[in-house]
Amino acid sequence: GENVEQHPSTLSVQEGDSAVIKCTYSDSASNYFPWYKQELGKGPQLIIDIRSNVGEKKDQRIAVTLNKTAKHFSLHITETQPEDSAVYFCAATSSGSARQLTFGSGTQLTVLP
Amino acid sequence: DSGVTQTPKHLITATGQRVTLRCSPRSGDLSVYWYQQSLDQGLQFLIQYYNGEERAKGNILERFSAQQFPDLHSELNLSSLELGDSALYFCASSLQGATNEKLFFGSGTQLSVL
Repeated sequence: GENVEQHPSTLSVQEGDSAVIKCTYSDSASNYFPWYKQELGKGPQLIIDIRSNVGEKKDQRIAVTLNKTAKHFSLHITETQPEDSAVYFCAATSSGSARQLTFGSGTQLTVLP
Repeated sequence: DSGVTQTPKHLITATGQRVTLRCSPRSGDLSVYWYQQSLDQGLQFLIQYYNGEERAKGNILERFSAQQFPDLHSELNLSSLELGDSALYFCASSLQGATNEKLFFGSGTQLSVL
């Protein structure tokens, strides 16, 4: 089955700096890679996703890059703000199958004012 | 607000007991998922239902069972509870249950087994 590894487990940045979270996956058939943000006391919320036919996707201050050859994908947050502080999860799966999303172990991002 | 409602928010019980967690999916969503989140295991998929039928099963223990009712709400039953079952249980829903669909998560039920 799919195995998703996520690094780092914790990340502290100064407000205004950039943050990068990296994930690797094992199954070359995976073609859908979402990122979820979990704030304290809440459930995970999808913030951005990318499919394997795209190498990069941006949404305002958030971007995700995908390298299918190396089987890794990354989340980039620019101009970080205190409200970006949360746990971020990457995930991977393939469409058209009965398999479910496999989540990474999460990254606790803290943006210091 | 994701539109997914989970009750209760907190549950404290003793070992050996049985509890039921309830989930109402987002309006219009046909598929419901259950996840277990613990500190050392991360987000673990338990089971998925689509329009009342079981679609996929993950790492769900035999002591656990679930169902989705005709009104699409779902219940997760946990029995013969052990200390290790203490965790945050999330319900999520999606429109058609495809693997590349956006999941909408509820706020979770925090289960503490004492």
